[in-house]
Amino acid sequence: AQTVTQSQPEMSVQEAETVTLSCTYDTSESNYYLFWYKQPPSRQMILVIRQEAYKQQNATENRFSVNFQKAAKSFSLKISDSQLGDTAMYFCAFMGGYNNQGGKLIFGQGTELSVKP
Amino acid sequence: GAGVSQTPSNKVTEKGKYVELRCDPISGHTALYWYRQSLGQGPEFLIYFQGTGAADDSGLPNDRFFAVRPEGSVSTLKIQRTERGDSAVYLCASSPQGGNYGYTFGSGTRLTVV
Repeated sequence: AQTVTQSQPEMSVQEAETVTLSCTYDTSESNYYLFWYKQPPSRQMILVIRQEAYKQQNATENRFSVNFQKAAKSFSLKISDSQLGDTAMYFCAFMGGYNNQGGKLIFGQGTELSVKP
Repeated sequence: GAGVSQTPSNKVTEKGKYVELRCDPISGHTALYWYRQSLGQGPEFLIYFQGTGAADDSGLPNDRFFAVRPEGSVSTLKIQRTERGDSAVYLCASSPQGGNYGYTFGSGTRLTVV
């Protein structure tokens, strides 16, 4: 069974600095998808970034980028120029590929990020 | 609609009662998902609909939990004989097809069983 592990329950960063959130996963599949979601106090999960496992190039979305290490099964999120609005819970999530009918997501336990002024 | 709408936002019920949680997905999204998020945890999969049918209900914890989507749009999660352990945030999400581009989530229903 696939598992997702986020080993940092809490992190903090100064405004305008860079922070990296860690995520590791376990799977026997070769084709899959990885996601980072942000959950502010409003509870709504917001998609931050997505990575396809068969693509070697790391995904980037504005200030957010990932370091995808397929062999190591590692998928870290880097937030550059941190802003107060980035304060939230961040969840790493795994979705299987061909054999995963319908796109079931498996989430990690989350990392609570605080951006300090 | 513009987003995924879940009602009610909060629900308090007594142990043993029956509750219904509603999800209105984005118009045209054929895939709909229910997740349960306990305090301090990541969401856990409950059930997935493709159209009107439940394509995967492997996450439903027991037979007290049931979900329907009779017309392929709105879905209702039903919990019978509620227990205190059912207290959690219930999240609904939808996607155009299989979800591998990510879902759009609603803001959830916080269920408290007293």
